[in-house]
Amino acid sequence: GDSVTQTEGLVTLTEGLPVMLNCTYQSTYSPFLFWYVQHLNEAPKLLLKSFTDNKRPEHQGFHATLHKSSSSFHLQKSSAQLSDSALYYCAPNTGNYKYVFGAGTRLKVIA
Amino acid sequence: EAAVTQSPRSKVAVTGGKVTLSCHQTNNHDYMYWYRQDTGHGLRLIHYSYVADSTEKGDIPDGYKASRPSQENFSLILELASLSQTAVYFCASSWSSSAETLYFGSGTRLTVL
Repeated sequence: GDSVTQTEGLVTLTEGLPVMLNCTYQSTYSPFLFWYVQHLNEAPKLLLKSFTDNKRPEHQGFHATLHKSSSSFHLQKSSAQLSDSALYYCAPNTGNYKYVFGAGTRLKVIA
Repeated sequence: EAAVTQSPRSKVAVTGGKVTLSCHQTNNHDYMYWYRQDTGHGLRLIHYSYVADSTEKGDIPDGYKASRPSQENFSLILELASLSQTAVYFCASSWSSSAETLYFGSGTRLTVL
């Protein structure tokens, strides 16, 4: 079945350093890829989603590039901010209306 | 902005008791979902529905039932609550396309004692 693998556990970064959270997926089909972000005691919400025309999605300084050859959709930001501390989910959707969520990666940005 | 509201926000239930979690969306979305969130497991799909009066099993349906009496409302029912069902439960909705965004409710924190 479809599955997704993310950077495990907790990633701790100092403010101002670059962010990279890994996401690789396994699917028979070419899925749409999503990144959702969940701040403490809040609901998950969309951060980014892949485009069909290979454009690189960007939002709030975050971007991600879909590499079909390596089945990856890594999340990046050039400079981490304290407010980026949150739980991040990568989620492919292969078209059967079932999003596959990984375990999530918790990002903690420290001063 | 899409609106998905859940009730209650938190609940304490006793083992063996019946629990009903409610979800209401005002987005006119076709699809509604119930997920549970546990540390280390992320979000796991329990049940989903793409039309009123019909529900489908997700990845972890055992011990749960779902009901979709109308397009706007989707309930999750635990007939016999167990300790292992202690978790945070999220309802979500979306349009009927694999490229569409999930809109989540604020969650229900369920504690079974």
